[in-house]
Amino acid sequence: ELKVEQNPLFLSMQEGKNYTIYCNYSTTSDRLYWYRQDPGKSLESLFVLLSNGAVKQEGRLMASLDTKARLSTLHITAAVHDLSATYFCAARDDKIIFGKGTRLHILP
Amino acid sequence: EAQVTQNPRYLITVTGKKLTVTCSQNMNHEYMSWYRQDPGLGLRQIYYSMNVEVTDKGDVPEGYKVSRKEKRNFPLILESPSPNQTSLYFCASSYGWQETQYFGPGTRLLVL
Repeated sequence: ELKVEQNPLFLSMQEGKNYTIYCNYSTTSDRLYWYRQDPGKSLESLFVLLSNGAVKQEGRLMASLDTKARLSTLHITAAVHDLSATYFCAARDDKIIFGKGTRLHILP
Repeated sequence: EAQVTQNPRYLITVTGKKLTVTCSQNMNHEYMSWYRQDPGLGLRQIYYSMNVEVTDKGDVPEGYKVSRKEKRNFPLILESPSPNQTSLYFCASSYGWQETQYFGPGTRLLVL
């Protein structure tokens, strides 16, 4: 049974700092998704990672995938307040399973 | 504008009173799905549909029904709602079952 674990679940950080959110999944998944959710809003797609070693970047966010370690990371570079949100990763076997989310709070 | 719409956005009801939450997408997507989001539990998939007349159970299907008679619509039916179905519900769609999903705005349901 596929399980997806994110850590940390809560993260408070200063603007300008770098940090990484980790997403571990328990069985083979053919792709890995990252989503963002602002408070009181819906989810917005950030990245889809398709293969081992895949790296995608958008602005200050960079996601990578290591299928051998069953690990994806979401790296935040020089954080700004606008990146405050909850970030979810999701993996898939025959069903899609979401992690519990990482609530990121960036302090000005 | 490409979008997924849900109605109603907010609903308060009582135990046992049947209700339907509608979901519609205008992107000609084949795959549609329903999720519930609860504090501390993240998103859990209720049902999904690969195409018209093809539906299957997700992780937490008990107490819910769905139908997919048309490609654009995927209603979620609660035949006899109970308080443990109080939650925030999201509908989502994608071109194919492996593609990234587009989420609707959410429906906040309170069952008394």
